[in-house]
Amino acid sequence: EAQVTQNPRYLITVTGKKLTVTCSQNMNHEYMSWYRQDPGLGLRQIYYSMNVEATDKGDVPEGYKVSRKEKRNFPLILESPSPNQTSLYFCASSLYSRTDTQYFGPGTRLTVL
Amino acid sequence: GDSVTQMEGPVTLSEEAFLTINCTYTATGYPSLFWYVQYPGEGLQLLLKATKADDKGSNKGFEATYRKETTSFHLEKGSVQVSDSAVYFCALRGGSNYKLTFGKGTLLTVNP
Repeated sequence: EAQVTQNPRYLITVTGKKLTVTCSQNMNHEYMSWYRQDPGLGLRQIYYSMNVEATDKGDVPEGYKVSRKEKRNFPLILESPSPNQTSLYFCASSLYSRTDTQYFGPGTRLTVL
Repeated sequence: GDSVTQMEGPVTLSEEAFLTINCTYTATGYPSLFWYVQYPGEGLQLLLKATKADDKGSNKGFEATYRKETTSFHLEKGSVQVSDSAVYFCALRGGSNYKLTFGKGTLLTVNP
């Protein structure tokens, strides 16, 4: 089944404790992206990757890191989480094209205390 | 930069009512337009899309037409069901990095 998977689905942590949210897709997509969803703000792009070893900042990259060492994986790293990073996070993947649909993972709900 | 404006919610309708959710956009170039739906506790699913002017996207009774002259992509359904209750997001894909730019979402509740 074609899908984007994320882990963990739920995470409660404390300020400053490094964490990684994994994202994997099995559709051989070049393009992958991370979004955060906050009430009243919709979804905003954090980082994206156009292919292996090609990543770039989105609209709200502060406090986040990413890597793309393999085509299928695109982990999101919070090196020192803060409470303002409490949010719902989505990973998405697609072909690298204006017309192609981005497919979303199920989401990771992160709470930083 | 690119932006999407969609009607504020929440929207509450009775079953079998007609639905319209307005969406307008600002973009350079020729973006593709999308409607995504998010059911409670789930991720986003593509509802429909249109990739060029005058295209009509349709799925599950929902329709939207890409109107370049009015920069709009309004979502419509002739007869909503309780199972259509969800948050609906209008989005465009374009720009130099092909990112998705989302509206803020519209919560739809359909009562029996």
